[in-house]
Order: sequence, then structure tokens, then C-alpha cells
Amino acid sequence: GDSVTQMEGPVTLSEEAFLTINCTYTATGYPSLFWYVQYPGEGLQLLLKATKADDKGSNKGFEATYRKETTSFHLEKGSVQVSDSAVYFCALSDSTGFQKLVFGTGTRLLVSP
Amino acid sequence: EPEVTQTPSHQVTQMGQEVILRCVPISNHLYFYWYRQILGQKVEFLVSFYNNEISEKSEIFDDQFSVERPDGSNFTLKIRSTKLEDSAMYFCASRDRAATYEQYFGPGTRLTVT
Repeated sequence: GDSVTQMEGPVTLSEEAFLTINCTYTATGYPSLFWYVQYPGEGLQLLLKATKADDKGSNKGFEATYRKETTSFHLEKGSVQVSDSAVYFCALSDSTGFQKLVFGTGTRLLVSP
Repeated sequence: EPEVTQTPSHQVTQMGQEVILRCVPISNHLYFYWYRQILGQKVEFLVSFYNNEISEKSEIFDDQFSVERPDGSNFTLKIRSTKLEDSAMYFCASRDRAATYEQYFGPGTRLTVT
């Protein structure tokens, strides 16, 4: 079945450092890809999405590009802030059926001042 | 901005008891989902619901689980006889028409089974 693999965390960075969180996927068909963020004690918030190959999703300084040839959707941000500390989940939904989300294991990001 | 709400935020129950977790999806949405997240683990799909019936369910969603949309606004998840391993955060999500890919999540209900 479909699956998502994320890099293990935690990722520890200093403020203003460059962030990359790797995500690769396995899917039949043409999935849509998402990054969700979970701040401490809160639910899941959609951070960005891409629905077809070569699409770039972006929001709040975060970016990810849907790479079909490498089945990847890596999350990047040029300069992280302390407030970005959270758990980041990569997810896919298939293009058929009722589009359930399949999540990766999540990567915890810790940003220190 | 419309949002998905869930009640209660935290439920403590004894093993073997029935629990009902409640969700109010965004009002014009048509597709509804339950997911769960065991502490420290990934978010897992449980069930999707459309047009008043289950459209897809995972292996986790066995006969102990059921879902209902009793009144056109609430969407409930019932666990008939809770087990210790049902302790998790349960998230409700909803989505509007078929062309939209985004699922909007509620804040979750933390279920603790003792």
C-alpha cells in the first residue's frame, strides 16, 4: 500500500539556520502531497500542499516541491525561528477513492535562540 | 474562519466502557474522517464517511468501532468496549467537494483508558 517515509528527528537548529526535512513516498497513481504541522498541545494544521508533479507548495516561508522522478517532497525553510518548533508530518492522499491521508512518522524540529 | 470542533478535549474511561467522541465538521463539507495518534507515533487513518455511510476503513477500525452522523451536523466515533491500547489522540477531519484535496482537522480528543 501507499506509504510515506520521513527523516528521523529530532532536528535541532539555531535560529536563522536553514531547514530541510526529507520526505519520500511510495504510491500507486498520482497522489497529492502535504505537509502538516503540529504545535505542542495542538491539532494538525495544513502547512502546504502540492497536487501534481513539479508543483511547489509554499506558506509562511516554508516550501516543498513535488518531485515525481525521485518520489520526494522535501520541506525547506531558509531561516527558521524559535516559533517554528513543532512536529512536521509529511502526508499523501491518493487521487482516487475518498482520499484518506497516509502520514509519515513525523519529525520534531527544535529551534533554539 | 470556519473550523472543525471536537468534544471533549480529554476523556478518561475505564477498560470495557463505551465512549463516544464528538465532532462538528465545517458546515458545507461532505467528507468526514477519523484518525488516531498513539502517543509519540504517527497519525493513522481509521475511517472515512460520505453520503451517510462508511466509504473506507482501516484494519484498526474493527467491530468495536462505529461512526454516525446523527443530525446532519455532528459526526461521532463510538468505541463499544474500550481497551488499554485505544488510548490515543483522536482527530476528526472534514473536506468539502470532491475537487478539493485539503482536509481540515479538529484539535483532537485525548482518550485515556485505565
